[in-house]
Amino acid sequence: KQEVTQIPAALSVPEGENLVLNCSFTDSAIYNLQWFRQDPGKGLTSLLLIQSSQREQTSGRLNASLDKSSGRSTLYIAASQPGDSATYLCVRGGADGLTFGKGTHLIIQP
Amino acid sequence: KAGVTQTPRYLIKTRGQQVTLSCSPISGHRSVSWYQQTPGQGLQFLFEYFSETQRNKGNFPGRFSGRQFSNSRSEMNVSTLELGDSALYLCASSLVHTDTQYFGPGTRLTVL
Repeated sequence: KQEVTQIPAALSVPEGENLVLNCSFTDSAIYNLQWFRQDPGKGLTSLLLIQSSQREQTSGRLNASLDKSSGRSTLYIAASQPGDSATYLCVRGGADGLTFGKGTHLIIQP
Repeated sequence: KAGVTQTPRYLIKTRGQQVTLSCSPISGHRSVSWYQQTPGQGLQFLFEYFSETQRNKGNFPGRFSGRQFSNSRSEMNVSTLELGDSALYLCASSLVHTDTQYFGPGTRLTVL
């Protein structure tokens, strides 16, 4: 059974800090690795998608990396803002569908 | 372009009943997947459809079934509801299964 582990489970930091969310997965035979955010009572919003042939993707203040050999991905958030407060989900895509981590609950203090 | 829509948004049923949830994907998307989200188990994959064919199925009992129509709209059915089926059911669509998935707002099912 595929597993995706996210560390830390929760994080609270002051506004303006740079931060890193970590994700590990058990199977290197992945199609892609996605990072989503989920706001309370809402669906998921895709942030970044890294295909298995890629090493990283960037969008604005967000940068995600993928190391298939070690089974790890990181999401880097620069200059955090209160609007970044949400649950961040790491999702492994493979032949058996998507496998979700439990998420990192992020709070950015104004 | 309109996003993924799910109906109904909220549903209350009693044990033993059956329920059908609907998902309309983004126009042009042919892949539709369904997920169950609960506080204890997190998000779990139910099944994926592509061009009216089930491509993949998660580890759920046969009470959970789905189908996809020729216009890519999809329905999910749960029969003989149990209390543990109370969850947020999310639908996602993509062009193909390896592409970015776009999620709908979900259907909140409560089983009493």
